[in-house]
Amino acid sequence: EVQLVESGGGLVQPGGSLRLSCAASGFTFSDHYIDWVRQAPGKGLEWVGRSKNKANSYAIEYAVSVKDRFTISRDDSKNSLYLQMNSLKTEDTAVYYCVRWRSGAADYWGQGTLVTVSS
Amino acid sequence: DIVMTQSPDSLAVSLGERATINCKSSQSILYSSNNNNYLAWYQQKPGQPPKVLIYWASTRESGVPDRFSGSGSGTDFTLTITSLQAEDVAVYYCQQYYRSPCTFGQGTKLEIK
Repeated sequence: EVQLVESGGGLVQPGGSLRLSCAASGFTFSDHYIDWVRQAPGKGLEWVGRSKNKANSYAIEYAVSVKDRFTISRDDSKNSLYLQMNSLKTEDTAVYYCVRWRSGAADYWGQGTLVTVSS
Repeated sequence: DIVMTQSPDSLAVSLGERATINCKSSQSILYSSNNNNYLAWYQQKPGQPPKVLIYWASTRESGVPDRFSGSGSGTDFTLTITSLQAEDVAVYYCQQYYRSPCTFGQGTKLEIK
């Protein structure tokens, strides 16, 4: 059974840092693109960034809104994806989802972890 | 970035009736070399993560009821739910994956009339 479990969310002050983790199981992690997608309270979905698969050299892509502040990394030996978030702003408050891609669709989503940026 | 615009923002339909949600991209998301439209539709119920319904604009995900269908090409797409059921109350999003960043529409809230 495919599972994605996010962790690491919490309350942080503006300007602070937080590291999210996504633990994957039930599939060959290195074969898949894995995205971070966020959703601010009561708002829509926003793509944050992506780690491509081994076949695409694990290339990383970011949304403009987080580029230079957020860093995505992955450890295939641990079947894990990470999101290091620095210089956090109040507008980064959201539920952060870890999402698996297969050809044509984001087919598995974690339950999400809530990040609250507030003083 | 490719901008995805959904219409309407909200929709109320009677049980058993048809619901239609539109999605328009700011540029074509049809890849001519494989004739695929790089568009997916997701359903999100309260307190849950999104769930994929349709990909490649018109391919239904395994396990999704056949009352859900997707159509369109190029820049204009439609999600149709025939014979609306109570469990279809949700917010629906389109997403393009033709080019990074993979952008979403703003969502359409579907309710029962």
